[in-house]
Amino acid sequence: AQSVTQLDSHVSVSEGTPVLLRCNYSSSYSPSLFWYVQHPNKGLQLLLKYTSAATLVKGINGFEAEFKKSETSFHLTKPSAHMSDAAEYFCVVRGPGGSYIPTFGRGTSLIVHP
Amino acid sequence: GAGVSQSPSNKVTEKGKDVELRCDPISGHTALYWYRQRLGQGLEFLIYFQGNSAPDKSGLPSDRFSAERTGESVSTLTIQRTQQEDSAVYLCASSFLAHEQFFGPGTRLTVL
Repeated sequence: AQSVTQLDSHVSVSEGTPVLLRCNYSSSYSPSLFWYVQHPNKGLQLLLKYTSAATLVKGINGFEAEFKKSETSFHLTKPSAHMSDAAEYFCVVRGPGGSYIPTFGRGTSLIVHP
Repeated sequence: GAGVSQSPSNKVTEKGKDVELRCDPISGHTALYWYRQRLGQGLEFLIYFQGNSAPDKSGLPSDRFSAERTGESVSTLTIQRTQQEDSAVYLCASSFLAHEQFFGPGTRLTVL
């Protein structure tokens, strides 16, 4: 069984300040983990993925995430927020093998103030 | 190559009518998924196809919902006797085996 919890439904930051979106997961196996972004009225776009290689994963648009097995966490960070980062962010966990269906978190809405 | 495409982009229908939503996955992707996203909500898994295996239909909310996929090609999600609560964006995604999913732009369904 697998599950994912996004700890904040909304995160509000000022432009130019750091971003932290929190995600905790539960999985019976070594999981693959993903972060997706969804801008208003758009489909989902992959930001980054962890698949048991380096624990610090760099993605697009300056985002990165660190896999911490001891804390079962995969938090998403960015040093400096841009207005264009305002969107919905989804953390996703998937077990090994092709037969596992990804489990999505409920999403975190990132609000960026000028 | 082209990404995942979905059609129509918008569909308005009357309560009780049937609708068909189409998804064209990325060529070569073995897996295809359908999700429903209600306004302001997260993604709700509906159905999963993987190669020639039997689909996982565990997320379909009622027997009014069905989906088909032709080989590793196009998929159609059908909703019969639509209800107002079916109003949502229906998202399709494809992947190669268990790799990352690529999403289409979605079909916005409005049931009047």
